[in-house]
Amino acid sequence: DAGVIQSPRHEVTEMGQEVTLRCKPISGHDYLFWYRQTMMQGLELLVYFNNKAVMDDSGMPKDRFSAKMPNASFSTLKIQPSEPRDSAVYFCASSPGGETQYFGPGTRLLVL
Amino acid sequence: AQSVTQPDIHITVSEGASLELRCNYSYGATPYLFWYVQSPGQGLQLLLKYFSGDTLVQGIKGFEAEFKRSQSSFNLRKPSVHWSDAAEYFCAVGAGGRRALTFGSGTRLQVQP
Repeated sequence: DAGVIQSPRHEVTEMGQEVTLRCKPISGHDYLFWYRQTMMQGLELLVYFNNKAVMDDSGMPKDRFSAKMPNASFSTLKIQPSEPRDSAVYFCASSPGGETQYFGPGTRLLVL
Repeated sequence: AQSVTQPDIHITVSEGASLELRCNYSYGATPYLFWYVQSPGQGLQLLLKYFSGDTLVQGIKGFEAEFKRSQSSFNLRKPSVHWSDAAEYFCAVGAGGRRALTFGSGTRLQVQP
């Protein structure tokens, strides 16, 4: 299996622009997680899905962030408008059953 | 809510020496416990996990960890460190119906030749 696939791997954008991060989970995994990693906050959960339904989005700033999972093999995390404080590494992880999570390589986002 | 503490921000060991990375968790029941490793610029790779049963678990790359309920700890060990083990190590806890993991702040391991 190819593992969790994330794109793009690097993104540089200007403040106010829309950013879309993409994730393809491991086939057959019914849980998908989006985490954000920063020096100050470490790894923190933004949102997670079970069978394409949002289960917990309490960590996600809903005024500018939105997450979708239109089908079992694809998810997006959108930031609009982006701000410099959104600069971070965004990880997608998937899990068969929710316990053990397998992480993608991450998307490094820099908002200028 | 669960929490994880990794008291050592940075550890330096000599190649061939033994290693122990500390992890303490806070959770009322038996948690699911994990250790992940992150090399620079890379994602997180699962080293090992504990759900139940034998409190000493073996992982990949020669790592092991021991769950001690009385100390709320899940320390990671390796008998002989290799230069390629230099990375950041994260302890994580999963608990109850909430599937998301809570991560510690990480321990950066440096290996001296």
